[in-house]
Parts: sequence; C-alpha cells; structure tokens
Amino acid sequence: QVQLQESGPGLVKPSQTLSLTCTVSGGSISSGDYFWSWIRQHPGKGLEWIGYIYYSGSSFYNPSLKSRVTISVDTSTNQFSLKLSSVTAADTAVYYCAGRNSYKPRFDPWGQGTLVTVSS
Amino acid sequence: QSALTQPASVSGSPGQSITISCTGTSSDVGGYNYVSWYQQHPGKAPKLLIYDVSDRPSGVSNRFSGSKSGNTASLTISGLQAEDEADYYCSSYSSSSADVFGGGTKLTVL
Repeated sequence: QVQLQESGPGLVKPSQTLSLTCTVSGGSISSGDYFWSWIRQHPGKGLEWIGYIYYSGSSFYNPSLKSRVTISVDTSTNQFSLKLSSVTAADTAVYYCAGRNSYKPRFDPWGQGTLVTVSS
Repeated sequence: QSALTQPASVSGSPGQSITISCTGTSSDVGGYNYVSWYQQHPGKAPKLLIYDVSDRPSGVSNRFSGSKSGNTASLTISGLQAEDEADYYCSSYSSSSADVFGGGTKLTVL
C-alpha cells in the first residue's frame, strides 16, 4: 500500500522559507488516485489543512496561507514538496503529508509527521 | 474558511457509548456528504476512522459509527475501551474547494 515519509530541516530561522519533501512509496504519485496534501498541527492544537496538489500540477491552498505557500510535485522522483515563505514562530508545528483520495475527500494514508521549529 | 466546531473534551466509562459532535455550515458539513473522522493518539499521525459521513475503512472496528443531521455530523463510539482514549478530529469538504478540520475532541476513558 502507499506509504508517505516527510523529510526536511527541523529548524528554520524567522523570515526564511520552510521547505519539506514527502516521498511516496508503494505506488506511483501519477496514479491519479490522490491529491497530495500537506497538513500541519501546532503544538497541542488541532489540524490545519495547508493545501494539496494533483500529479498534473493543479493545486489548491488554504486561503489563510495561500500568499506564502507553494506545493509542487516531481513525478520523476515520486515526491511532492511544500514551501512556506516568510515564516514566524507561529509556523512552528508538526507538518504531515497525506494522500487525499481524489474521488472522495478523505485523508489516508498519512506520513509520520515532522516537527519544524521556527527560531533564531 | 472557519474550523468546524467540536467539544473540547468528552469522557465515558469502559463499555459505555459516547458521541462527539462536529458542527459546520451549509457550505461544508451541511452541503456535502463528505465528512470524515480521524483518531490521533499522542505522538502519532491521525488515522482515518470514518469517511463519507458513515463509511468505515477496512480494518476499523464497527464500534465506530458516523452520522449527519443538517450542519452537524456525529461520531459515536460504542463499547468504550481504554485504547479509544485519544484525540478525535472531524473534517469536511467545503464549497471553496478546500478541506476544513474541526478543532479536535479529547476523549478520556474513565
């Protein structure tokens, strides 16, 4: 079955760009079965949908983050990525990548999550 | 795009049933049969429990069930077990082509 794994720096300085990659295994990122998604969870808080991308490159973003977010997909490496610019301490969170079923909206599978701390 | 409203906490004793509500608007919960529920244990990634309001993925216990009335969806857990103690989140598709989550509910098994 499809499995996801996040990777990237665990510490980012304020005003810089947070960059994370999600590697898809057990299936092709181009299968069309999923919108490839990023979701974050602030410490001790709830889940926040960041956005998702289809293998074709079509993307949708949370309006509250849209001006700072870019999600991209690389079908040659079976990876998709998140870039969040101009970060502040408020962007400190666990970032999850997940597959959002392209036929019926639901998030499954999920990566294990990676904690990103924004601090100087 | 506002978060869906869930109670902060619920509790129940082993063997009992509990229900967690998830209230949205006609633009999300009430407008689509695309409500899903997730269980999250501490330090773990969320796990899909329910999708399309009331469908269960294979492998999820039939003690978990979902329903919807108007703008409010509900997750019911019957025959509470100690392992059910976790945080629960609802999610819905919305008219803005986005997905929105609830604030989460902490379930305590007494």
